[in-house]
Amino acid sequence: EAQVTQNPRYLITVTGKKLTVTCSQNMNHEYMSWYRQDPGLGLRQIYYSMNVEVTDKGDVPEGYKVSRKEKRNFPLILESPSPNQTSLYFCASRSQGLAIYEQYFGPGTRLTVT
Amino acid sequence: AQSVTQLDSHVSVSEGTPVLLRCNYSSSYSPSLFWYVQHPNKGLQLLLKYTSAATLVKGINGFEAEFKKSETSFHLTKPSAHMSDAAEYFCVVSDLNSGTYKYIFGTGTRLKVLA
Repeated sequence: EAQVTQNPRYLITVTGKKLTVTCSQNMNHEYMSWYRQDPGLGLRQIYYSMNVEVTDKGDVPEGYKVSRKEKRNFPLILESPSPNQTSLYFCASRSQGLAIYEQYFGPGTRLTVT
Repeated sequence: AQSVTQLDSHVSVSEGTPVLLRCNYSSSYSPSLFWYVQHPNKGLQLLLKYTSAATLVKGINGFEAEFKKSETSFHLTKPSAHMSDAAEYFCVVSDLNSGTYKYIFGTGTRLKVLA
């Protein structure tokens, strides 16, 4: 089954404790992206990657890091989480082909930072 | 720069009545437009997409949307609401011709369906 998986699905942590949210896709997509969803703000892009070893900032990159060492994986790293990073996070992937624009989303990771 | 505005943050309809969720976009280039649905505690599911083919786009679960360039709109409609349509809906613009590949999300419209 074609899918994007994220782990963990729920995470409660304390300020300053480094954490990683994993994202993996099995569709051989070149493009992957991370979003955060906050009430009344929709989804905002954190980082994206157009292929292995190619990443770039989205609209709200502060406090986050990413890496793309393999095509299927795109982890999101919070080196020193703060309470304002409490949010619902989504990973997504898409083919780079011009005929296919749809992004496929993971199930989401709900992060609480106390 | 591209942007998208969802004109209503909340919409309530009675079961069996039509649904209209409004979306206006701004894009310097030829846009691709999408509607996604998010049911409570679920991820995002694609309802339909417009990519410069037919201006009237049919999606899943009886939803459709019409691309109107003159009005810069891409409103989502359904003739008859069902209880299972209660969810949050996001309008998205993607400006691929600009080379950025970025999705810009609207702030969402929460649809409530009354019995």
